[in-house]
Amino acid sequence: EAGVAQSPRYKIIEKRQSVAFWCNPISGHATLYWYQQILGQGPKLLIQFQNNGVVDDSQLPKDRFSAERLKGVDSTLKIQPAKLEDSAVYLCASSLDRGYEQFFGPGTRLTVL
Amino acid sequence: GENVEQHPSTLSVQEGDSAVIKCTYSDSASNYFPWYKQELGKRPQLIIDIRSNVGEKKDQRIAVTLNKTAKHFSLHITETQPEDSAVYFCAASKGRGSTLGRLYFGRGTQLTVWP
Repeated sequence: EAGVAQSPRYKIIEKRQSVAFWCNPISGHATLYWYQQILGQGPKLLIQFQNNGVVDDSQLPKDRFSAERLKGVDSTLKIQPAKLEDSAVYLCASSLDRGYEQFFGPGTRLTVL
Repeated sequence: GENVEQHPSTLSVQEGDSAVIKCTYSDSASNYFPWYKQELGKRPQLIIDIRSNVGEKKDQRIAVTLNKTAKHFSLHITETQPEDSAVYFCAASKGRGSTLGRLYFGRGTQLTVWP
């Protein structure tokens, strides 16, 4: 089966600019996750969707980050405005349902200058 | 919330030796413990997982053990090979509640296997 797809793979922006990431989960997976992985650390969950609804966004910096999953399939994560500390790899993952094995995409490496 | 500690941060072994990575967790409600392998520049991939109703699980050269009382779990890799070199992450997750499905990751262990 096709894996989780993400784009772009790399993005370089200046601070205060905005950026958006796209994720296409594995077909049929109800649950979609966005993680932030800072260099040298483990991934940290930002937001979890169940179909097209948000079920966990407690660690999402809502003043600058937003995400949506229209129609319960693809998802976009946006940062506006970006800060230097947002430099990280943003990983999208999906699972058949909540609590099932999570499959990760290749990630988007964001550099904020 | 949950706090997952992982040790060591780096581990170097000779090819053919065994490697052990240990993790502790803080929330007794956690009941699912996956291990991910992440090669440089690539996505994390699940290599083995264990649920709290099981004490040990094996898959060829890889095994995971869980001690619920002490709240720690370990990854054991036997007969290591150079292709085992990667960063390994442990994680913990709860089986119910608003955070169902959320994985809490450790900081990772860089394993290097020398030929």
